[in-house]
Amino acid sequence: GDSVTQMEGPVTLSEEAFLTINCTYTATGYPSLFWYVQYPGEGLQLLLKATKADDKGSNKGFEATYRKETTSFHLEKGSVQVSDSAVYFCALSDQGGDDKIIFGKGTRLHILP
Amino acid sequence: DAMVIQNPRYQVTQFGKPVTLSCSQTLNHNVMYWYQQKSSQAPKLLFHYYDKDFNNEADTPDNFQSRRPNTSFCFLDIRSPGLGDAAMYLCATSGLPGVRTEAFFGQGTRLTVV
Repeated sequence: GDSVTQMEGPVTLSEEAFLTINCTYTATGYPSLFWYVQYPGEGLQLLLKATKADDKGSNKGFEATYRKETTSFHLEKGSVQVSDSAVYFCALSDQGGDDKIIFGKGTRLHILP
Repeated sequence: DAMVIQNPRYQVTQFGKPVTLSCSQTLNHNVMYWYQQKSSQAPKLLFHYYDKDFNNEADTPDNFQSRRPNTSFCFLDIRSPGLGDAAMYLCATSGLPGVRTEAFFGQGTRLTVV
């Protein structure tokens, strides 16, 4: 079945450091890919998305590129801020599947001032 | 403006006492999901509706039931809550008719079982 694997956390960085959170996926069809962010005590918010190969999603300085050849969708940000501290989930929705959103296990990010 | 609204934000229930969580949406999405999220874990899909078609995950306990009386509303019923059911419950929606979209989440309901 479809699955998402992302790097284990927590990840701790200093403010203004470069961030990469790795995500790879397995899907039978042609999935759309997402990054969601969850702040403490809140629901999930969509951070960015990409719907086909080579698309780049971007938002709030975060970027991720849909790489079909490596089945990856790594999240990057050039200069993180304390306010970026949260849990980040990589997810997919399989276009040829049954409409389920499949999540990775999440990566907790701590940014130190 | 809130588009997926969950009520209540916090719910305390007694062990074994039935409880209902509610979710409403203003997006006219045809897919609605219920997820259970325990501390420091990923959301776990319990079930989802595609319009009125109910899809139960194989490992969702029978203790969990759901109703979707119309497009806008969906309910999660826990028939006999146990201590292990304490969690955040997340409702989400996606998919306009004929169009696939990302999932939009509500703020969640945090359930405490005492």
